Amino acid sequence: EAGVTQFPSHSVIEKGQTVTLRCDPISGHDNLYWYRRVMGKEIKFLLHFVKESKQDESGMPNNRFLAERTGGTYSTLKVQPAELEDSGVYFCASSPLLGGYEQYFGPGTRLTVT
Amino acid sequence: GDSVTQMEGPVTLSEEAFLTINCTYTATGYPSLFWYVQYPGEGLQLLLKATKADDKGSNKGFEATYRKETTSFHLEKGSVQVSDSAVYFCARINNAGNNRKLIWGLGTSLAVNP
Repeated sequence: EAGVTQFPSHSVIEKGQTVTLRCDPISGHDNLYWYRRVMGKEIKFLLHFVKESKQDESGMPNNRFLAERTGGTYSTLKVQPAELEDSGVYFCASSPLLGGYEQYFGPGTRLTVT
Repeated sequence: GDSVTQMEGPVTLSEEAFLTINCTYTATGYPSLFWYVQYPGEGLQLLLKATKADDKGSNKGFEATYRKETTSFHLEKGSVQVSDSAVYFCARINNAGNNRKLIWGLGTSLAVNP
């Protein structure tokens, strides 16, 4: 069974540019989470999808961040325009709708805004 | 507010030394608790978990006991190996509302020298 995949693994962009991160969850997992770890800080929740619906986007920093999950499969997280403080590692996780609380994580996307 | 406080690193040990990484949490009730590990160049992996008070999670020689009296979930290993070098994250489930997001500690970097 394929795990959670994320693309790209690393992105370096200039301030003001746009970047789109992609996450492919484990097949059949309806829950999809985005988290971010800024250097020196704890991992922070960004938002939660159940299928294609946003359940909780209370962790999104501001309206420069837009997440979508069309069709309830893969998800994208777009940052437009990127700012220096957006640099960090963005993790995606998925879990089944029913069952335990374990979340399965992707390898993360390291975003560097210069 | 809800938080997870984790022992700061980095921690450097010699092979076969005893490891303890402290973790305490604040929460209403008794949320499920987790230790995740991130090996160099890899994503986050669940190391062990405990879903109720007094449970002991264990995996790969690591153990942690859910202590409700002290709201703690300290990670221990009796004899570390070089291959245990990684970043360890303590986390708890959000048990308020319907979003089972994870609330994280800062992470503790462990380096084990031969």
